[in-house]
Amino acid sequence: DQQVKQNSPSLSVQEGRISILNCDYTNSMFDYFLWYKKYPAEGPTFLISISSIKDKNEDGRFTVFLNKSAKHLSLHIVPSQPGDSAVYFCAATGTASKLTFGTGTRLQVTL
Amino acid sequence: DAEITQSPRHKITETGRQVTLACHQTWNHNNMFWYRQDLGHGLRLIHYSYGVQDTNKGEVSDGYSVSRSNTEDLPLTLESAASSQTSVYFCASSDRSGGNIQETQYFGPGTRLLVL
Repeated sequence: DQQVKQNSPSLSVQEGRISILNCDYTNSMFDYFLWYKKYPAEGPTFLISISSIKDKNEDGRFTVFLNKSAKHLSLHIVPSQPGDSAVYFCAATGTASKLTFGTGTRLQVTL
Repeated sequence: DAEITQSPRHKITETGRQVTLACHQTWNHNNMFWYRQDLGHGLRLIHYSYGVQDTNKGEVSDGYSVSRSNTEDLPLTLESAASSQTSVYFCASSDRSGGNIQETQYFGPGTRLLVL
């Protein structure tokens, strides 16, 4: 039972355009959501997070939106750069510190 | 700088052998986690620990064990390696300090394990 779903395994975007990565969750107890970025042969690195008391969090080119009623969050990258090409994992947690990850979306930013 | 390291980075072993993967963090974090990453599954939690002498089973704990004798280390042992345990293994740590309600997990570089 996949509690965190990333339904798009891959996404290709032109440099300079907006990248939108989506994530859905089913567990109502999740109250904190994170996005991790992963390059090949490296561990995931934390990118941005959002608490369930907010609906938007921005950090430079990265913005995460949370729609609690739809149990949906999205990561927007504007403008997209070639260095953003990586696998992006959505993760969620409740009160127990454990993260539940989605299956990842591979973003390719083309020139 | 504080960091989290894993060793070895690559390991080839045979079915039935015992294998131990090391994880060492210098963040002084209380919480440590082991995940495996497989295509189509993302990262799945194997075991985790909230402090010294504390260990807990995760989503996919069968065939794995951990022990926590100090804050810095959480070794992962495959008691009798199976081909289904061929995967990339990541260790992570976190700490709910400074009054933060939620904490971020920081990951090691991973160990790629091949069981023949």
